[in-house]
Amino acid sequence: GAVVSQHPSRVICKSGTSVKIECRSLDFQATTMFWYRQFPKQSLMLMATSNEGSKATYEQGVEKDKFLINHASLTLSTLTVTSAHPEDSSFYICSASPTSSQGEDPYGYTFGSGTRLTVV
Amino acid sequence: GEDVEQSLFLSVREGDSSVINCTYTDSSSTYLYWYKQEPGAGLQLLTYIFSNMDMKQDQRLTVLLNKKDKHLSLRIADTQTGDSAIYFCAHLRDSSYKLIFGSGTRLLVRP
Repeated sequence: GAVVSQHPSRVICKSGTSVKIECRSLDFQATTMFWYRQFPKQSLMLMATSNEGSKATYEQGVEKDKFLINHASLTLSTLTVTSAHPEDSSFYICSASPTSSQGEDPYGYTFGSGTRLTVV
Repeated sequence: GEDVEQSLFLSVREGDSSVINCTYTDSSSTYLYWYKQEPGAGLQLLTYIFSNMDMKQDQRLTVLLNKKDKHLSLRIADTQTGDSAIYFCAHLRDSSYKLIFGSGTRLLVRP
């Protein structure tokens, strides 16, 4: 089945620094990837849609300059949290869908294992 | 997700059936999903149902869809301690292919 690898799984950084999170589709190509943020005991909030070769589409209320998304290849999307602050601490999850119609479920959304970001 | 609602918590005894409910507002969704999230992990797709179906069964899982009432449910038969997790319902917003999630139901299975 389709596998999405997300790294790192856990990161602690100092306030004011930037952190990059990678999302890779291991055995399929993904034109589109999605980035979610999950607060404790809450649902997943869609942050942005990452499109290979073009600019990401951000959801309302998400600062594009704060959360930089790059989707330079069909297998890799990165989310960079710039000038991180404690309020950016959260669980970030990516998902990807195969470019072609593959996978057992319609549109084949597969999720990464998530990244726990703690800003101190 | 403000247009997908779930109860927040469910506690059942091991061996009993669990029923997790979900209501949604977007009637145009073609597919509806159930995902499972274990602590500190990503989401695992459990099952999905196409909007023209009323029921789908997959081993211990049964999904019921009432399109008229916009109500989706997931029944887990013979619930085990390993089923303890957060369960999310989601629908695919067809116009944008975005998955919109409910708030999640935390299932606790007591021995």
